[in-house]
Amino acid sequence: DTGVSQNPRHKITKRGQNVTFRCDPISEHNRLYWYRQTLGQGPEFLTYFQNEAQLEKSRLLSDRFSAERPKGSFSTLEIQRTEQGDSAMYLCASSQSTGELFFGEGSRLTVL
Amino acid sequence: AQTVTQSQPEMSVQEAETVTLSCTYDTSESDYYLFWYKQPPSRQMILVIRQEAYKQQNATENRFSVNFQKAAKSFSLKISDSQLGDAAMYFCAFRDNYGQNFVFGPGTRLSVLP
Repeated sequence: DTGVSQNPRHKITKRGQNVTFRCDPISEHNRLYWYRQTLGQGPEFLTYFQNEAQLEKSRLLSDRFSAERPKGSFSTLEIQRTEQGDSAMYLCASSQSTGELFFGEGSRLTVL
Repeated sequence: AQTVTQSQPEMSVQEAETVTLSCTYDTSESDYYLFWYKQPPSRQMILVIRQEAYKQQNATENRFSVNFQKAAKSFSLKISDSQLGDAAMYFCAFRDNYGQNFVFGPGTRLSVLP
């Protein structure tokens, strides 16, 4: 296993378009997290899953954002009707129940 | 809600010298975990060191060690014999035993001068 994988690595889109990011966690990890990071800032929590259940979602997350983890394996994060303020790095991380986070390399979104 | 504060936006250190990065946090919980993560430029975030709150002994990992002061809610990272490869953003993070969410500080950018 080579770690957490995220695709695409970079997405450029026009305002109003929908985008989807995919995350493949480390296979034996049952928890999967999505964070958003803007330049020079720390990761901001978006949501997390334990297996296929979405257990927590940030109140900062607008209804344009949705995440799924079907079958408890990979996860997708969809942003509908993108806005320029959505431009950021979207980080995925996975963990065992009591362990630390293992991060992917991130998916950078640029909204023109 | 838990918060994590890193009061030093930027730090610099001479190669081979020692530097300490500060972190404070706020929580009402008694059982939790603390972490330091490193994010090199344009690279993924990796774990540097972790500390369980119930352990009084400070964690160490080679050149990296922490000073964990539970009563003061302080968790500083000491890097000894600094190397050029240590240059990165360093994030302090908190996780309690119940919410399972990780809360990150704003980060400290560390420069290592040759």
